[in-house]
Amino acid sequence: ELKVEQNPLFLSMQEGKNYTIYCNYSTTSDRLYWYRQDPGKSLESLFVLLSNGAVKQEGRLMASLDTKARLSTLHITAAVHDLSATYFCAVDTMNRDDKIIFGKGTRLHILP
Amino acid sequence: NAGVTQTPKFRVLKTGQSMTLLCAQDMNHEYMYWYRQDPGMGLRLIHYSVGEGTTAKGEVPDGYNVSRLKKQNFLLGLESAAPSQTSVYFCASSYVLGTSERNEQFFGPGTRLTVL
Repeated sequence: ELKVEQNPLFLSMQEGKNYTIYCNYSTTSDRLYWYRQDPGKSLESLFVLLSNGAVKQEGRLMASLDTKARLSTLHITAAVHDLSATYFCAVDTMNRDDKIIFGKGTRLHILP
Repeated sequence: NAGVTQTPKFRVLKTGQSMTLLCAQDMNHEYMYWYRQDPGMGLRLIHYSVGEGTTAKGEVPDGYNVSRLKKQNFLLGLESAAPSQTSVYFCASSYVLGTSERNEQFFGPGTRLTVL
């Protein structure tokens, strides 16, 4: 059964610093998604990664996928307070049964 | 487009009561999902549907039933609510996944359910 692990689960960092959130998963998949959730709100899609080596960037966030290592990273460059949120990765079990399994989320707190 | 809507937004039930949560989407999506979110647990998949008339179990299906009689609606039922079902419930929908980089899940605003 597919397991998705994120680390760290909580991250407090200063504005202007760089950091990376890691998402590991346990079985073969070429489809991985990143979402953002603000407190009390719903989830918003950030990135869709559909192949090995895929890299997507939006502003200060960059996501990548290594399907051989079963690893995705979400890199934050020069963090700003507005990026404070919880970030989830989710993995698609693909043709086995089309489930989307989420990690527990990384709660990111950026100090001004 | 309203996107994905959920009804109701809040509900308080007593143990043993039943209720149905409604999810509706106007994007002509094939796939629909029900998740629950609990502190520290992320989102856990309850049931999902890959098309009208089809449903499948997710990670935590026990105590819930679903139906997808119309493509645009996905209903989640609790036959006999228990305090362990206190949670925030999210519905999501998508086109067939993996066929395009635009095919991410779109989430509804959530339903906050408390079972006393």
